[in-house]
Amino acid sequence: AQSVAQPEDQVNVAEGNPLTVKCTYSVSGNPYLFWYVQYPNRGLQFLLKYITGDNLVKGSYGFEAEFNKSQTSFHLKKPSALVSDSALYFCAVRDMGSSNTGKLIFGQGTTLQVKP
Amino acid sequence: DVKVTQSSRYLVKRTGEKVFLECVQDMDHENMFWYRQDPGLGLRLIYFSYDVKMKEKGDIPEGYSVSREKKERFSLILESASTNQTSMYLCASSWGGSPETQYFGPGTRLLVL
Repeated sequence: AQSVAQPEDQVNVAEGNPLTVKCTYSVSGNPYLFWYVQYPNRGLQFLLKYITGDNLVKGSYGFEAEFNKSQTSFHLKKPSALVSDSALYFCAVRDMGSSNTGKLIFGQGTTLQVKP
Repeated sequence: DVKVTQSSRYLVKRTGEKVFLECVQDMDHENMFWYRQDPGLGLRLIYFSYDVKMKEKGDIPEGYSVSREKKERFSLILESASTNQTSMYLCASSWGGSPETQYFGPGTRLLVL
């Protein structure tokens, strides 16, 4: 069965420090991977995606994610965290059984708290 | 900018009521989706639509139905609301050429008493 796991419910980071939000996946074939962010009292926003090519993907707001096929991971990273990065982050993978419909399987979400 | 709007931010309904949640997008997107968001469970897909009058069940369609009579509008219907349908409901849309890059509305927080 296809799945996405975000092993940490919450990540706490001091402002200016690097941050990592973890994501692992289980799908057959080559995965399409995504990160979405939900700022407080706002809708989800697309952050970045990996389809193919370079394993390091750059996205909005200075975020990047590294695809690691051997570890089946797609961790979200930022070199220097800002207080305004505090939000709920979701990792997602395309449902390979429903290609080209846009159907995504989401992880349970990780709350990122950046403290001044 | 893509804009996805949802008819209500907050709704309070009674058990057994019929509930309509409306979603409108202004980017001529082919695909539209309804999710519910619950703490610790992430987002779960209820229904989606890839064209007018077309719909497909998601992972948790029980107790819900949908309607897409116009391309820009996708409605979620709770035929007989129950307390376990208390949740945050999110609508999203996407272009057919990149269906997984979804644009979300602000959400409707529904409380069923």
